[in-house]
Amino acid sequence: DIVMTQSPESLALSLGERATINCKSSQSVFYSSNNNNYLAWYQQKPGQPPKLLIYWASTRESGVPDRFSGSGSGTDFTLTISSLQAEDVAVYYCQQYYSTPWTFGQGTKVEIK
Amino acid sequence: QVQLQESGPGLVKPSETLSLTCTVSGGSVSSYYWSWIRQSPGKGLEWVGYIYNSGSTNYNPSLKSRVTMSVDTSKNQFSLKLSSVTAADTAVYYCASHRSSLDWVSNWGQGTLVTVSS
Repeated sequence: DIVMTQSPESLALSLGERATINCKSSQSVFYSSNNNNYLAWYQQKPGQPPKLLIYWASTRESGVPDRFSGSGSGTDFTLTISSLQAEDVAVYYCQQYYSTPWTFGQGTKVEIK
Repeated sequence: QVQLQESGPGLVKPSETLSLTCTVSGGSVSSYYWSWIRQSPGKGLEWVGYIYNSGSTNYNPSLKSRVTMSVDTSKNQFSLKLSSVTAADTAVYYCASHRSSLDWVSNWGQGTLVTVSS
């Protein structure tokens, strides 16, 4: 199985600050045949299911604010919230869909300081 | 936009079989891939498996011996059965949809909590 490791486990920032969440996979999730990284990011608020934010490591889902961006390739990925808003308080997960079994990171909790 | 709704018992006894159903609206269960994903405090998000085209399945090897998924096209539903449950199977179970076997999850149900306890 591909192990997904996120860091940090939690972070507390002031409104308007930049949030950076890292995700590392135990093996590459890049397919050279189509030049895609099989990596998604989700946001989960309390009592709700996860919500898709980013797929192909850097493609923003329709309707997701442009303060959310994804980057990285191979085994190292980053989710950035450029200017933290109150509504961004949530747990964020990365997921690889390069191979089954699909696996998720353990989550990063984002709070307002 | 496909919408998904889980249903089933919220309490299951140890050693018995957990059975959940997901009702699909806004789309046909004959299209797409359909997954079950569970979330427990101890293990985070865990993909259980998927079913496609009324028969093709792919289960997480860690659960494969206990999992059965099926599709009912007449009711536009798909189902999960997990046998010989223990307390470790206590979790919120989500049904979900995706476009292919190697794809992100595009739609999630609201989730249903299943507790394994006598």
